[in-house]
Amino acid sequence: GESVGLHLPTLSVQEGDNSIINCAYSNSASDYFIWYKQESGKGPQFIIDIRSNMDKRQGQRVTVLLNKTVKHLSLQIAATQPGDSAVYFCAENGGGTSYGKLTFGQGTILTVHP
Amino acid sequence: SQTIHQWPATLVQPVGSPLSLECTVEGTSNPNLYWYRQAAGRGLQLLFYSVGIGQISSEVPQNLSASRPQDRQFILSSKKLLLSDSGFYLCAWSRQGGSPLHFGNGTRLTVT
Repeated sequence: GESVGLHLPTLSVQEGDNSIINCAYSNSASDYFIWYKQESGKGPQFIIDIRSNMDKRQGQRVTVLLNKTVKHLSLQIAATQPGDSAVYFCAENGGGTSYGKLTFGQGTILTVHP
Repeated sequence: SQTIHQWPATLVQPVGSPLSLECTVEGTSNPNLYWYRQAAGRGLQLLFYSVGIGQISSEVPQNLSASRPQDRQFILSSKKLLLSDSGFYLCAWSRQGGSPLHFGNGTRLTVT
């Protein structure tokens, strides 16, 4: 079946470095993608989203890049801080009309060392 | 601003007992509502979603059911819990017509 997956299950960086978290998706019909941050014991927190008519979208310290040719999504975090340590999930909508019916990847654990 | 509340935060229930988890959303009307489950160390799986009062769609066959008795209330239930029902249950909402999905802080359910 269609799935969304992550290349790296864990990522360790030093405070101040830039972080890049990658995600591959297989459903070519997907036209909406979203990144979440989940801290221990909490629900996922929305970070940034992107629609398939865009290649790049920037937020505060975060950038999402979408490469539809190779079905690849990435999240870049600039000047990573210890508070960024969490599990990061990518998700896609499978081309459906609902923005809430999402297929999630397995997650990447980001650890930021002071 | 919109807020979403889930309770209880944690729950330990014996096998065969009933379940009722509640979720309410404030600050918006006619939201789309969702129940997701997250197994340990894994991503989230959509269980149910609702686009209006009394309208429930099930995504996966299971021992659970959902109901939406009011516009901003979503309930996840079971008549008899199984060990495999243990997990982290997350309620979420989005606006009709499209918006990012926003999650509550979840209920950690342990079936013993």
